Amino acid sequence: NAGVTQTPKFQVLKTGQSMTLQCAQDMNHEYMSWYRQDPGMGLRLIHYSVGAGITDQGEVPNGYNVSRSTTEDFPLRLLSAAPSQTSVYFCASSPAPWVALYDTQYFGPGTRLTVL
Amino acid sequence: QQPVQSPQAVILREGEDAVINCSSSKALYSVHWYRQKHGEAPVFLMILLKGGEQKGHDKISASFNEKKQQSSLYLTASQLSYSGTYFCGTDWTGANNLFFGTGTRLTVIP
Repeated sequence: NAGVTQTPKFQVLKTGQSMTLQCAQDMNHEYMSWYRQDPGMGLRLIHYSVGAGITDQGEVPNGYNVSRSTTEDFPLRLLSAAPSQTSVYFCASSPAPWVALYDTQYFGPGTRLTVL
Repeated sequence: QQPVQSPQAVILREGEDAVINCSSSKALYSVHWYRQKHGEAPVFLMILLKGGEQKGHDKISASFNEKKQQSSLYLTASQLSYSGTYFCGTDWTGANNLFFGTGTRLTVIP
């Protein structure tokens, strides 16, 4: 199993540009999430999905869109990049329900995004 | 929504012990502990479930006080490899979402 994979690893954008961060998992997990990590802020939830076709907002959803057409993929779209979106983005997946399965979230390697 | 972690940073010598605390204002279904090394993804350490169940490995263990909604991570006989930032993730919605604390930076020196 490759686990959770993310592309690209690094990206530099100009203000106003749009782009999609890719996330895929091969563990057949129903739950997938996107987090951003800023220095001193820990990880903050952007959007999450409880299964194909179902998504919802997390703590900091503004400026981001998601969709979930398949169990494996959960892309994150930046609509119009702003310097405040400079951050490290992590995708995570988990089985459901993790409480019954004694399991947790598995994180991808991250995408380091800089918006100029 | 974010849990509060303490201390923010700690420096240990090899072989010393440390305790990291995590407090939530919400009633929790579970608490998850992760360690993150610089430039890497968070790596799962253990999960604690409502009801007092505990998982752990090696010389790292944890407790979960449901009455106080507090969890503590215990690192005994620390090794250089324990260095990193420790995060607690709390699940209070029951929807497989974790809300993370701001982390505790642990440095182990020879």
